[in-house]
Amino acid sequence: GAVVSQHPSWVICKSGTSVKIECRSLDFQATTMFWYRQFPKQSLMLMATSNEGSKATYEQGVEKDKFLINHASLTLSTLTVTSAHPEDSSFYICSAVPGQGSNSPLHFGNGTRLTVT
Amino acid sequence: AQSVSQHNHHVILSEAASLELGCNYSYGGTVNLFWYVQYPGQHLQLLLKYFSGDPLVKGIKGFEAEFIKSKFSFNLRKPSVQWSDTAEYFCAVNSNQAGTALIFGKGTTLSVSS
Repeated sequence: GAVVSQHPSWVICKSGTSVKIECRSLDFQATTMFWYRQFPKQSLMLMATSNEGSKATYEQGVEKDKFLINHASLTLSTLTVTSAHPEDSSFYICSAVPGQGSNSPLHFGNGTRLTVT
Repeated sequence: AQSVSQHNHHVILSEAASLELGCNYSYGGTVNLFWYVQYPGQHLQLLLKYFSGDPLVKGIKGFEAEFIKSKFSFNLRKPSVQWSDTAEYFCAVNSNQAGTALIFGKGTTLSVSS
């Protein structure tokens, strides 16, 4: 149980275009989802916290107008990278926690590898 | 603000050697602690977690970790590593408040030679 699905698993786009990444909780409801970014050989850096029905909370240094997050339902959050540039090339990972309480580990999607040419 | 420090950037071991990866965290309140593993080309997998209770936590694949509150540490151990343990290991922490994100350490690359 507690499966998180991310789509697409990889995407190549041209500089200046926008890319949407979907994160779905398949067998549980998640009021909160998290978006992380992982550069090669580096750790996961939290980008933003996505709350169902409200605006996302962005970490310091993350441009909210560039990384648009929409959490329209209890099972779906989307991250749109707008006007992508080569420096946005990275591995984007979403995660969600089942239920309302904190005594559940985060479950991670398989990630989306974005390459901007 | 929370932070997680992993002391070893790259550890190289021979099979059957014992492993200990250091992890220290900085946070004033009550925390949950995790170790995740990322095998080459794969996504994160949870190795073990600590929420409360017995500070010695046993996880999958023979791994264990000990929470030492006075040292703000949560070191990962395995008595005898295998070649298949070659991977990236991440220590992570979050507040025990509901709905808080995990903060990750920079990771430790473990290379096990056969």
